Amino acid sequence: DAGVTQSPTHLIKTRGQQVTLRCSPKSGHDTVSWYQQALGQGPQFIFQYYEEEERQRGNFPDRFSGHQFPNYSSELNVNALLLGDSALYLCASSSEKVRTGREKLFFGSGTQLSVL
Amino acid sequence: GQQLNQSPQSMFIQEGEDVSMNCTSSSIFNTWLWYKQEPGEGPVLLIALYKAGELTSNGRLTAQFGITRKDSFLNISASIPSDVGIYFCAGRRDSNSGGSNYKLTFGKGTLLTVNP
Repeated sequence: DAGVTQSPTHLIKTRGQQVTLRCSPKSGHDTVSWYQQALGQGPQFIFQYYEEEERQRGNFPDRFSGHQFPNYSSELNVNALLLGDSALYLCASSSEKVRTGREKLFFGSGTQLSVL
Repeated sequence: GQQLNQSPQSMFIQEGEDVSMNCTSSSIFNTWLWYKQEPGEGPVLLIALYKAGELTSNGRLTAQFGITRKDSFLNISASIPSDVGIYFCAGRRDSNSGGSNYKLTFGKGTLLTVNP
């Protein structure tokens, strides 16, 4: 049973470029959340997708956008990259099928993005 | 973005010693979570706490949800070398919309080093 998988594992971009990161949720999960973790910090919530729609959003500019596909996989897109976007981007999946309020998030290993 | 106040920032201990770390917030959370992150990996859930005053154990780990709902602590007993890693606390509030809330607010982490 595969856990949350993310690709690529590492990526180097230059300022102003655009980047797409990909995530496949854990088997049986239908909800994907994205987090940004800067060096020495805890993860910060970017947004969450369920039923192919953005349901929640954190305090991130519109340069950060996403998409969820019918197979529940997801992409995170960042436009006009800034040096400060360098971070580990984490994808977390969960299941919204049974809403207990105690849904657990399972994180992938992340994509390390470096912006030069 | 908001982060929880987590202390200490780092700990260097001898194998066999007990460890205690805590997390505080200026606002109330309905769920407190403790994660461990190792190099090159995403956070892994250790313990989840859902009610004020709740005390929960997972092997050598024990965590408590503060009565004020603004704090939590994690204890590790009889530490071993594989306990090395960064420990994060995270808080979650109940959703207002009927669905689940996937926005976790994390602390900055406690780096634990165990000397064999």
